[in-house]
Amino acid sequence: DQQVKQNSPSLSVQEGRISILNCDYTNSMFDYFLWYKKYPAEGPTFLISISSIKDKNEDGRFTVFLNKSAKHLSLHIVPSQPGDSAVYFCAACSWGSARQLTFGSGTQLTVLP
Amino acid sequence: NAGVTQTPKFQVLKTGQSMTLQCAQDMNHEYMSWYRQDPGMGLRLIHYSVGAGITDQGEVPNGYNVSRSTTEDFPLRLLSAAPSQTSVYFCASSYSGASTDTQYFGPGTRLTVL
Repeated sequence: DQQVKQNSPSLSVQEGRISILNCDYTNSMFDYFLWYKKYPAEGPTFLISISSIKDKNEDGRFTVFLNKSAKHLSLHIVPSQPGDSAVYFCAACSWGSARQLTFGSGTQLTVLP
Repeated sequence: NAGVTQTPKFQVLKTGQSMTLQCAQDMNHEYMSWYRQDPGMGLRLIHYSVGAGITDQGEVPNGYNVSRSTTEDFPLRLLSAAPSQTSVYFCASSYSGASTDTQYFGPGTRLTVL
C-alpha cells in the first residue's frame, strides 16, 4: 500500500502559466515533506521542502503548500518555464528519520513553449 | 567536487550472476543510501549507512548486501541476480541523514537481469 501517492502521472501546461502538482499521504507519522525534480538519465535533485509546523514554504518560483488535515501537499510553479519539464517526486519522512524517505511515483511535467 | 558518482551506468546480467554496483561521494558525507526505482513506482530504500562501519536495512533489502568500510564508498552487492531486480538504482548521500539535510543523488545505474 503506497503511503505517498501522486495520482497524476503526467501534466502539461503552457509556458508562463502555473503548474500545480499534487501529492497525498496516508501515514500520520510523516511530518517532513520534500519535492525532488528528475531529468532523464540523471538522479533526482532536491527542490523544496516543508515541515508539518508550516502550511506554506516559498523559494523563488516554487511554493509548496501543506494541508495536514487533508494529508495533502501541492507544489506550485509560477511562472512555468520549458526547463521545468521533468519528473517531480513527492517524498515524506518522520522528523529525524530522513533515512526512511518514502517517495511517490512521480508526475511528468511538460511545459509547452 | 564530483558529488555522488555511480558505476557502471548500464549493466546486463543473467539470472544467478553476481555483481557490485559502485557508489562514491567526495563531500565527506556521513549518510549514504541506496534506492531502486521501478516503472510506475517511487524510489524505494534498499539499505543505508549512517557512517563507516554502520549499515541498516531499508524497505526492500532482500537480495542485496552492503558494507561501508570508508566514508567515501558504499557498494551494493547482488549475490544472485533475479529478474525482479531489474531496475534503476540510485545512490544518495547527505551530511548527517537528518531530515533537513539535502540528499544528493548519483546519476543511477540501469540494471537488466535476463
